[in-house]
Amino acid sequence: DTGVSQDPRHKITKRGQNVTFRCDPISEHNRLYWYRQTLGQGPEFLTYFQNEAQLEKSRLLSDRFSAERPKGSFSTLEIQRTEQGDSAMYLCASSLLAGAELFFGEGSRLTVL
Amino acid sequence: AQKITQTQPGMFVQEKEAVTLDCTYDTSDPSYGLFWYKQPSSGEMIFLIYQGSYDQQNATEGRYSLNFQKARKSANLVISASQLGDSAMYFCAMRADQTGANNLFFGTGTRLTVIP
Repeated sequence: DTGVSQDPRHKITKRGQNVTFRCDPISEHNRLYWYRQTLGQGPEFLTYFQNEAQLEKSRLLSDRFSAERPKGSFSTLEIQRTEQGDSAMYLCASSLLAGAELFFGEGSRLTVL
Repeated sequence: AQKITQTQPGMFVQEKEAVTLDCTYDTSDPSYGLFWYKQPSSGEMIFLIYQGSYDQQNATEGRYSLNFQKARKSANLVISASQLGDSAMYFCAMRADQTGANNLFFGTGTRLTVIP
């Protein structure tokens, strides 16, 4: 499978715990995006990378959220001290630098108890 | 700022019939792109169709066509010959080209149900 893959697909955690999601983009794609989708809403942009550089992070929801793409390939999204309001689907997407289309993974669903 | 509005929370269509899903947008950028994505229950966002703001003709991709009315700021999706597998959430999205980020702003979606 050469699409965008995300791991884990589902995560249940207790409030206050840290969680990390991983995204493997399509191999030749320079850009990688993280979105959050809550129930009944469309995806909400969080941050994006061009290669290993994080070019936009002002839309990360709080300082508990951080993302990395250390070698310009896979990326991780970490949420520290999770809260119940963090329960959502976290979607990763990738694209070519000059491409129009974003290719999405199947998402990582987080449930905070 | 960009804004996407989808006013139809849910739509029903008979199998083999055509259906139009509405989308209006607002932006001050002269150059932008409009997208439609399908999201089945599995969660993956599947790209359907794209329309650039300077494209002269409406985009078409198989059974999907985009009815782009620039003056009215609308970008409705038309699905012809509906199939049971078309039942899903449909999201309209916009990219503001001048930001250079290529990130998308999404509407709240329309749930389409195809009735046999």
